[in-house]
Amino acid sequence: DAMVIQNPRYQVTQFGKPVTLSCSQTLNHNVMYWYQQKSSQAPKLLFHYYDKDFNNEADTPDNFQSRRPNTSFCFLDIRSPGLGDAAMYLCATSRVGLRTDTQYFGPGTRLTVL
Amino acid sequence: AQSVTQLDSHVSVSEGTPVLLRCNYSSSYSPSLFWYVQHPNKGLQLLLKYTSAATLVKGINGFEAEFKKSETSFHLTKPSAHMSDAAEYFCVVSTNTGFQKLVFGTGTRLLVSP
Repeated sequence: DAMVIQNPRYQVTQFGKPVTLSCSQTLNHNVMYWYQQKSSQAPKLLFHYYDKDFNNEADTPDNFQSRRPNTSFCFLDIRSPGLGDAAMYLCATSRVGLRTDTQYFGPGTRLTVL
Repeated sequence: AQSVTQLDSHVSVSEGTPVLLRCNYSSSYSPSLFWYVQHPNKGLQLLLKYTSAATLVKGINGFEAEFKKSETSFHLTKPSAHMSDAAEYFCVVSTNTGFQKLVFGTGTRLLVSP
């Protein structure tokens, strides 16, 4: 019954060691989003894909990259994690990206950087 | 530009009493407004949304919200709080132009005491 799935739920990495977070969806939605949410803050959009078209937010650090090999899967790559990258990472999907669309969120991956 | 203001960072209620979480919005066009709930270490779940249909919107788990254009408000209410309602609540507005982006409020933490 799960619609947006994120793996792993908890990820521990070392300072500077690359890490990849995974998101998959069973909704067949065109749009997939990645958000970063730090403690006691609102989610912050990093980027989104409309099908294969990648759209980066202007203030997303170069350290963050993403891949979407097919409709169902999307990955977040952090090339050299710093202590400031410790956060909850949320994946979301929406049908076509209209302003009335609902975004469906996954359970999140909590990243710890040692 | 669109924005939302959540007027209370914390709201405390007793179980069985009414809940009121306040949200004011700013938008140059008819807005699309959402309320999401986030339980600790979980993703965001949609409670309800307003997209220019009925001004009184009913959501899941007994929550509802009323869109009031004259007051630029979209307050979330529930007649009787349950312990399981304790969570963080985000009021969200969708951007009106181009691709959908969600603009989050700063969140309201609801505390429910026995």
